[in-house]
Amino acid sequence: AQKVTQAQTEISVVEKEDVTLDCVYETRDTTYYLFWYKQPPSGELVFLIRRNSFDEQNEISGRYSWNFQKSTSSFNFTITASQVVDSAVYFCALSESDYKLSFGAGTTVTVRA
Amino acid sequence: KAGVTQTPRYLIKTRGQQVTLSCSPISGHRSVSWYQQTPGQGLQFLFEYFSETQRNKGNFPGRFSGRQFSNSRSEMNVSTLELGDSALYLCASSLEPREKLFFGSGTQLSVL
Repeated sequence: AQKVTQAQTEISVVEKEDVTLDCVYETRDTTYYLFWYKQPPSGELVFLIRRNSFDEQNEISGRYSWNFQKSTSSFNFTITASQVVDSAVYFCALSESDYKLSFGAGTTVTVRA
Repeated sequence: KAGVTQTPRYLIKTRGQQVTLSCSPISGHRSVSWYQQTPGQGLQFLFEYFSETQRNKGNFPGRFSGRQFSNSRSEMNVSTLELGDSALYLCASSLEPREKLFFGSGTQLSVL
């Protein structure tokens, strides 16, 4: 069964629009970690954010913000005032007690000038 | 600080051959993990090593193997290559397990 679901396959926006990426996860662990990674065309996965299961405080870091809701098993990610350089594939990932990351299928974000 | 280094960047092999991919983690990182990325299956976990011990292995056949050396450098080996092994192989390192992973640029393997 898929542990991380990213329902949005592709999102296309015009520069300066906000983009929200959805992520739903499934786990039986009480302690787990959630991540967002970005993969630009160069191929290297770039770390964006990490949250643990005990901290539901939502934060903003620059143009990035996230909304973690344990009750709905969701970990959504928002890019505010998008820029062309934000064009990439974004992956949500779950880390449980087994030392591996389970990735979602990814959402391709295209920001048009 | 140097990032995660993977060599080679590109590799072309034929069916039946074997291949060895190399990964040098960030200095001080003891955990190294490997992932396979394909258009059809996405990112899939291969294995994770910590202090030379394999702690978890993904759902891949025994043709896929790996090891970690005392300096934390890691190699993965794929024997008897199949066409379906064509993929981007990504290595990642972290200080401790479940900390943020730093990924290398990957090795693009093409099996003909």
